[in-house]
Amino acid sequence: QQQVKQSPQSLIVQKGGIPIINCAYENTAFDYFPWYQQFPGKGPALLIAIRPDVSEKKEGRFTISFNKSAKQFSLHIMDSQPGDSATYFCAASFNNQGGKLIFGQGTELSVKP
Amino acid sequence: DVKVTQSSRYLVKRTGEKVFLECVQDMDHENMFWYRQDPGLGLRLIYFSYDVKMKEKGDIPEGYSVSREKKERFSLILESASTNQTSMYLCASNHRAGGAYNEQFFGPGTRLTVL
Repeated sequence: QQQVKQSPQSLIVQKGGIPIINCAYENTAFDYFPWYQQFPGKGPALLIAIRPDVSEKKEGRFTISFNKSAKQFSLHIMDSQPGDSATYFCAASFNNQGGKLIFGQGTELSVKP
Repeated sequence: DVKVTQSSRYLVKRTGEKVFLECVQDMDHENMFWYRQDPGLGLRLIYFSYDVKMKEKGDIPEGYSVSREKKERFSLILESASTNQTSMYLCASNHRAGGAYNEQFFGPGTRLTVL
């Protein structure tokens, strides 16, 4: 019930492609779904986040799509660049968890020039 | 600019040693967290703290303890290191106000190898 399942584990795309990373959850009490981006040698950093009252959120080339009925959400990266090569983590939480996050397994993205 | 620092980037210890990992944040955050990161398993919460001297177990607390004597500092202790504790350890912090919607800020991580 507390798990967030993320796929794929790794992804290789060509520059300009649109990588899609998927996450699924079981606990319908979750009400906050952030994505974190981690570059090699660095800690993760917040990339974009969504709440379940909207179905889509865009920030620059990054878009979260949210399907509440399916309990799934995904990250799309438009016009991907080699600089987007990183590990991406989805996460979920609900407000009375005191700021705790439950993370997915991570996706290692490589964007080839 | 929020900064979370960890005492070491790389650490090599022997089985049975007591290991201390230190984390310091400079943003007056109430919450602090320790995670371990392993390939294919994501980030798993070891312990977290809501305030000075407060601590709560996360998902994988076995073999670990923590200490928070000052608001800005959160220490992770491996009482008797074992090879299965070889991992990347990440510290994070955020404000309590606003609950889950507050961004967690991470340190750069400590790569611990136990021989």
